[in-house]
Amino acid sequence: GNSVTQMEGPVTLSEEAFLTINCTYTATGYPSLFWYVQYPGEGLQLLLKATKADDKGSNKGFEATYRKETTSFHLEKGSVQVSDSAVYFCALIPAAGNKLTFGGGTRVLVKP
Amino acid sequence: ETGVTQTPRHLVMGMTNKKSLKCEQHLGHNAMYWYKQSAKKPLELMFVYNFKEQTENNSVPSRFSPECPNSSHLFLHLHTLQPEDSALYLCASSLGGAGGKGAGGIDTQYFGPGTRLTVL
Repeated sequence: GNSVTQMEGPVTLSEEAFLTINCTYTATGYPSLFWYVQYPGEGLQLLLKATKADDKGSNKGFEATYRKETTSFHLEKGSVQVSDSAVYFCALIPAAGNKLTFGGGTRVLVKP
Repeated sequence: ETGVTQTPRHLVMGMTNKKSLKCEQHLGHNAMYWYKQSAKKPLELMFVYNFKEQTENNSVPSRFSPECPNSSHLFLHLHTLQPEDSALYLCASSLGGAGGKGAGGIDTQYFGPGTRLTVL
């Protein structure tokens, strides 16, 4: 079956530090890949997505590149802010079907 | 109002109560979903509706009863819940449609803010 594995948190950073959250997946074919973010007390917001190999999704300074050869979709941001403190979820939708499979989430805490 | 809305945002109920969660989407989507988010557990898909028809029930106990009267509204009726059912319940919607794929071949899901449920 399909699965998504992401690094466990919490990840604690200082403001303006570089953030990387690793995500790898298991799926047949070419799934679509997503990063969602959940701010404290809120639901999930779509952060970025990529639909095919070598696609780069980007939004709000975050980037992730669809790497088919390593089945990865790592999330990066060059300079984090306190407001980036949240839980980040990596997810996939298989090539056939519409069922989202989520990773366990990574909590990020950015300190001033 | 835009996007996906959920009411109430917070709910406290006893094990003998009956309550309902409501979700409404203003995106013109055809598919709607219920998820459960518990502490320290991955997000769990509960139900999927496509064009008002239930297409997935992920082995959810019968004390949770979904209802989808139209493509814009989704309810989750709750009765005789247990304390372990306390969680954040998230609703989502997507374009859905033929083959479960929206425009461009991706059926991106958009989430509401959730209802924080506490069962005493």
